[in-house]
Amino acid sequence: AQKITQTQPGMFVQEKEAVTLDCTYDTSDQSYGLFWYKQPSSGEMIFLIYQGSYDEQNATEGRYSLNFQKARKSANLVISASQLGDSAMYFCAMSPSSGNTPLVFGKGTRLSVIA
Amino acid sequence: NAGVTQTPKFQVLKTGQSMTLQCAQDMNHEYMSWYRQDPGMGLRLIHYSVGAGITDQGEVPNGYNVSRSTTEDFPLRLLSAAPSQTSVYFCASSTRPGTSGLSSYNEQFFGPGTRLTVL
Repeated sequence: AQKITQTQPGMFVQEKEAVTLDCTYDTSDQSYGLFWYKQPSSGEMIFLIYQGSYDEQNATEGRYSLNFQKARKSANLVISASQLGDSAMYFCAMSPSSGNTPLVFGKGTRLSVIA
Repeated sequence: NAGVTQTPKFQVLKTGQSMTLQCAQDMNHEYMSWYRQDPGMGLRLIHYSVGAGITDQGEVPNGYNVSRSTTEDFPLRLLSAAPSQTSVYFCASSTRPGTSGLSSYNEQFFGPGTRLTVL
């Protein structure tokens, strides 16, 4: 069974600084996908970035990048140049190789950006 | 496209009452799922469906029923509400993995959520 662990319940970062949100995963599958979602205080779930287990390059989407270390089973989210609007809950999630079941989510990290 | 819609947005029930949370999507997605979100617990899967007529249980299915008679709709039924079912409920849909060319790409498109309180 797949499992996602996010060990940081809460994080603080100064505006314009970079921040790393940790995510480790557990799976015996060879093929899988890793996702990050953002949930602002308004409650909606916003897809940020995806990394496939066979992707050789780390995924990037604007200010978001995914630091993928397959041997360590980690998929950390890096947010560069933090903005006040980045304050939110962030969830790491995994798609099993079969893809026949929905994503497995971690418990989330609450990020607060300080001016 | 409206995407994934959920009704109602808010609901208060008394213990023992039943109700149905509605979910619909207009993206012709095969996969649909229901999650509940509780403080400190992240999102936990209740039930999911990989196509019309096919449903399966997730991590926390007890007390909930689902059916999938059409591709568009995936209602969640609470048979006899309990205070432990107080939560925020999210419906999500996705394409079948592999259709994007990536075998494990399963991005979930979420509805806005239903906040349910059971007294």
